[in-house]
Amino acid sequence: QSVLTQPPSVSAAPGQKVTISCSGSSSNIGNNYVSWYQQLPGTAPKLLIYDNDNRPSGIPDRFSGSKSGTSATLGITGLQTGDEADYYCGTWDSSLSGYVFGTGTKVTVL
Amino acid sequence: EVQLVESGGGLIQPGGSLRLSCAASGFTVSSNYMIWVRQAPGKGLEWVSVLYRGGSTKYADSVRGRFTTSRDNSKNTLYLQMNSLGAEDTAVYYCARDPTTMKDALDIWGQGTMVTVSS
Repeated sequence: QSVLTQPPSVSAAPGQKVTISCSGSSSNIGNNYVSWYQQLPGTAPKLLIYDNDNRPSGIPDRFSGSKSGTSATLGITGLQTGDEADYYCGTWDSSLSGYVFGTGTKVTVL
Repeated sequence: EVQLVESGGGLIQPGGSLRLSCAASGFTVSSNYMIWVRQAPGKGLEWVSVLYRGGSTKYADSVRGRFTTSRDNSKNTLYLQMNSLGAEDTAVYYCARDPTTMKDALDIWGQGTMVTVSS
C-alpha cells in the first residue's frame, strides 16, 4: 500500500553510522519535500527531519537528511541504544492528492 | 505547552460508527492543516485525511465516503467521524499538525487512540 520504499531493517554497533533510504517517484519525492519520523516502541511518531534536510529544535545533529531526485536518505551517526526505533519517511503525493509514508525501517543497535 | 490529545477510541462492532476527538492546546487548529494518520497493529503509518485552514478536506481512498473530518473552532478541537466501520479500520488513530512553517511535515502528534472493530 505504501508508495515509498524503505529497507525493512538496518543495524550497527553503538557509535557507528546507519543510513536509511526512501525511494519514491516524481509524483511524491521527486517534486515535494521529504520529512522523517522516529517511532519509539509504544509511542507516537516524532518529527526528526523536515523540508528534506532541516532539523526541528531539540533534534541532535546526529540526525541528518538529504534528497536526490526521487530518493531521500536519513543518516544517524554516533548510534545510541536509545535510537532503536522504527523510522518512516513521508511526503505529499501529487497524483494521489494525499500524504504518503514509507514502509518503515527498524533500526537495531547491536 | 503545544500538544494534541485524542479521545473517543474503543471497541465497536462491524458496521458501527465512532467519533474521535483531538483537542489542541498551545496553538490554533484553524490556522494549520490538521491530519489524521492511523497505524494498524504491527503495521506502518497510513494517512487518513487532511483538513485545510479554509475548511476543505481530502481523504485516503480507503476511507473516502465513510469518514468525515471536521473541527470546532470554539473548542479548538479536530474530529474524525467514522461510519460503516470494518475490521480493516482497526488501528491506533493519531491526529497531527502540518504547520505553515514547514512543507508537508507533521510536527506535533497526539498520543493516539485505539479503535478496535470486532464482533
